[in-house]
Amino acid sequence: DAGVTQSPTHLIKTRGQQVTLRCSPKSGHDTVSWYQQALGQGPQFIFQYYEEEERQRGNFPDRFSGHQFPNYSSELNVNALLLGDSALYLCASSRGQGRTEAFFGQGTRLTVV
Amino acid sequence: AQKVTQAQTEISVVEKEDVTLDCVYETRDTTYYLFWYKQPPSGELVFLIRRNSFDEQNEISGRYSWNFQKSTSSFNFTITASQVVDSAVYFCALSEAGDNYGQNFVFGPGTRLSVLP
Repeated sequence: DAGVTQSPTHLIKTRGQQVTLRCSPKSGHDTVSWYQQALGQGPQFIFQYYEEEERQRGNFPDRFSGHQFPNYSSELNVNALLLGDSALYLCASSRGQGRTEAFFGQGTRLTVV
Repeated sequence: AQKVTQAQTEISVVEKEDVTLDCVYETRDTTYYLFWYKQPPSGELVFLIRRNSFDEQNEISGRYSWNFQKSTSSFNFTITASQVVDSAVYFCALSEAGDNYGQNFVFGPGTRLSVLP
């Protein structure tokens, strides 16, 4: 049973460009959340998708957007990249509502130069 | 507002020593959930434990134990007889009950644990 998978693992982009990160949730999971983890810090919640809709959003600008597909996989898009967007982006999946534990992927390391 | 504090930035111990990682949280909700995650160098966050606010029983799982005290808003994590493989960054996290669609965690800044042979 595959866990949460994220692609790509590493990415280098230039300031001002756009990037798309992908996440496939653990089998049986229908809720996907995205987190940004800057170096040396704890993950920060970006947003969460359930039933193909954004259900909650953290304190991130509109440059950060996402999508969830009918198969529950998800994309995170970041437009007009800034140097400060350099971070590890983590995807977490869980099963529906309730406080079950979330399973995290290994993340995508984004470097903006 | 939710907040999680992990005052210990880095801890180094020698193998077989016991070590306690501290976590203090702030929330206005009466129903909430607390978690501990381990992050090895590979980057993936590994779930260790979940505790709801109504269950103050301490828990032991092998070499791991957790002490939850609502009176002091603390949820500390102890590793007994530490091993080199325990070296990682450990995060404490909080999720409030108003989060109806699953995990919207507030993470602490993490504690980097180094277990030396």
